[in-house]
Amino acid sequence: KQEVTQIPAALSVPEGENLVLNCSFTDSAIYNLQWFRQDPGKGLTSLLLIQSSQREQTSGRLNASLDKSSGRSTLYIAASQPGDSATYLCAVQQQNYKLSFGAGTTVTVRA
Amino acid sequence: DTAVSQTPKYLVTQMGNDKSIKCEQNLGHDTMYWYKQDSKKFLKIMFSYNNKELIINETVPNRFSPKSPDKAHLNLHINSLELGDSAVYFCASSQRTANTEAFFGQGTRLTVV
Repeated sequence: KQEVTQIPAALSVPEGENLVLNCSFTDSAIYNLQWFRQDPGKGLTSLLLIQSSQREQTSGRLNASLDKSSGRSTLYIAASQPGDSATYLCAVQQQNYKLSFGAGTTVTVRA
Repeated sequence: DTAVSQTPKYLVTQMGNDKSIKCEQNLGHDTMYWYKQDSKKFLKIMFSYNNKELIINETVPNRFSPKSPDKAHLNLHINSLELGDSAVYFCASSQRTANTEAFFGQGTRLTVV
């Protein structure tokens, strides 16, 4: 059974600091890994998808790495802004196409 | 133009009632999902349909019954609601290939009183 863990559970940083969010998974037989953002009371917004054959993916200030063999992914957010405050969820897609989620990291960026 | 839309957004109901949540996607995806997010914000899959066929059915009480009239719609019907059913329910869709993003609806917050 796939288990996804995100560390830390919460993070508070001053504006401008870089953010590092970690995700680990127990079963490396994955199709891809997705990072999502969830704002309070809202749905999930897809940020990045890394295919199992890729090592990293970038979108603007966001960069995500994937080490499939060790079951780890890291999301880097450069030069954080108050608007980056949200919960960030990591999810792995397995061969039955379902997504298994971590519990999330709640980020607060202080102005 | 919402890609995955759910209705209603909020639902407050008494124990024992039966309720339905509707979901529609306009992305042309062939696979739809229902996820439950509990009070600790943990998201867990409940069901998945591919082209109207049930392909994932996690350990969910049989009071929960999904229905997919076509591949753009996946509804969730819940019978005899219990207090523990209170949660946020998310619908999602994707294409059944290995490397496509999943898109989520805004969620339905169900409160059973």
